[in-house]
Amino acid sequence: DVKVTQSSRYLVKRTGEKVFLECVQDMDHENMFWYRQDPGLGLRLIYFSYDVKMKEKGDIPEGYSVSREKKERFSLILESASTNQTSMYLCASSSSGTIEAFFGQGTRLTVV
Amino acid sequence: RKEVEQDPGPFNVPEGATVAFNCTYSNSASQSFFWYRQDCRKEPKLLMSVYSSGNEDGRFTAQLNRASQYISLLIRDSKLSDSATYLCVVNTGGSYIPTFGRGTSLIVHP
Repeated sequence: DVKVTQSSRYLVKRTGEKVFLECVQDMDHENMFWYRQDPGLGLRLIYFSYDVKMKEKGDIPEGYSVSREKKERFSLILESASTNQTSMYLCASSSSGTIEAFFGQGTRLTVV
Repeated sequence: RKEVEQDPGPFNVPEGATVAFNCTYSNSASQSFFWYRQDCRKEPKLLMSVYSSGNEDGRFTAQLNRASQYISLLIRDSKLSDSATYLCVVNTGGSYIPTFGRGTSLIVHP
């Protein structure tokens, strides 16, 4: 059974903290994605990666960075968390040549 | 204009009803289409693919209209358990980046 695992379901952080969200997939997928989901705004792409050490900006990359040192792991970093980054963060992966994406369970991040 | 658009609803229907959602996309080069289902506070999960010839899976039928650039999802004999948000997904032009619609909320009541 395919699996994408995010390190935390719920996270509470303080403004200004550096936050790491981890995502691991066991399907040997080339593509990995980070989205955030907010009410009324749907899923918005933050960053994606087609390969190890490769990253591309999505629609809303400001305030975020990513790291992909190994094929199975894709990390999202909030350099200095702000309250407007309170959101549900969803990691997804897909095989090359398809948009059929598999999602992790999501991390609900609250920045106070 | 947003690349993928859906009516947010909610669509409020009684059990047993037939309900249909549409999803329009702006990029005529898009080739891949899917429907996902998302339950409250859960992650999206693949519901079904959308093929040019249409696709049926039990009570669910998905269709593609390339000329008018929309995909549709038809649910027959609605169940209470069908209550969820339905997201359409389209690839953006020639890339393999999934672009999601904002979702359509379905509420099936007794």
